[in-house]
Amino acid sequence: GQNIDQPTEMTATEGAIVQINCTYQTSGFNGLFWYQQHAGEAPTFLSYNVLDGLEEKGRFSSFLSRSKGYSYLLLKELQMKDSASYLCAVGNNAGNMLTFGGGTRLMVKP
Amino acid sequence: DAGVIQSPRHEVTEMGQEVTLRCKPISGHDYLFWYRQTMMRGLELLIYFNNNVPIDDSGMPEDRFSAKMPNASFSTLKIQPSEPRDSAVYFCASSLYRGWGETQYFGPGTRLLVL
Repeated sequence: GQNIDQPTEMTATEGAIVQINCTYQTSGFNGLFWYQQHAGEAPTFLSYNVLDGLEEKGRFSSFLSRSKGYSYLLLKELQMKDSASYLCAVGNNAGNMLTFGGGTRLMVKP
Repeated sequence: DAGVIQSPRHEVTEMGQEVTLRCKPISGHDYLFWYRQTMMRGLELLIYFNNNVPIDDSGMPEDRFSAKMPNASFSTLKIQPSEPRDSAVYFCASSLYRGWGETQYFGPGTRLLVL
C-alpha cells in the first residue's frame, strides 16, 4: 500500500521562500507528482520527479530522494496567488494510478 | 483541447435520490479516473478505467456506487440511493500512458450536496 505524509498547513510571507515536504512509503514507485489546487478549483499539475535530484521550473522546484522516500516542493519569490493547497502524489507501478497525500494548505501573507 | 469536461458542476439532491455524474475525458487519453474529495479524507481514488475497461474499483465505497465507461469519450458515476455522507466534490481525470507515470488532467469537478 501507500502512505504519504505532508504538513497540513503552512504560512509564509510574500516574496519569501517556502519548502513543503512530503514523505512516502510505497510498495511500488513510478514517480512523485506535485499538484496545486486553489480553493474551489481542480488540482493542476506542477511537477514530476522519477529520478533523484532537483527539477527546476521557474519559481518552483521539486526534489526527490527515492532511498529516503522524501520529496519537497520549493516555492521562491512567493506571490499572493501562490496561496493554495499543494498535493504530493505517488505514482504506482500498476498502470497510471496516483495516491495523493492530504495536501498542504499554504497561506501567503503580505 | 477543451480539457476534461464534467457535468453537472453542482448538484443538490435529497437523500435516497439517484445521482448521475458525467465525464468526457481529453480526446486520445486511454486512462480515466474518478476521485472524491472531502475535507476529512482528502482526494480519494474511487475507480479507474483503461481503454474503457474498469481496472481497479477497490476505492468504491459500497454497492450504492457504480461507474461505467461505454466508450472512449464518456463515463458516468452513479450513486443510488444517495446519502448525506456522499456530499463531496467528485473529480474526473484522464491521462495518456507512455511508459512512465503520466500526468493526470482533472476536470472542474461536480460539487454534490445530499440533504
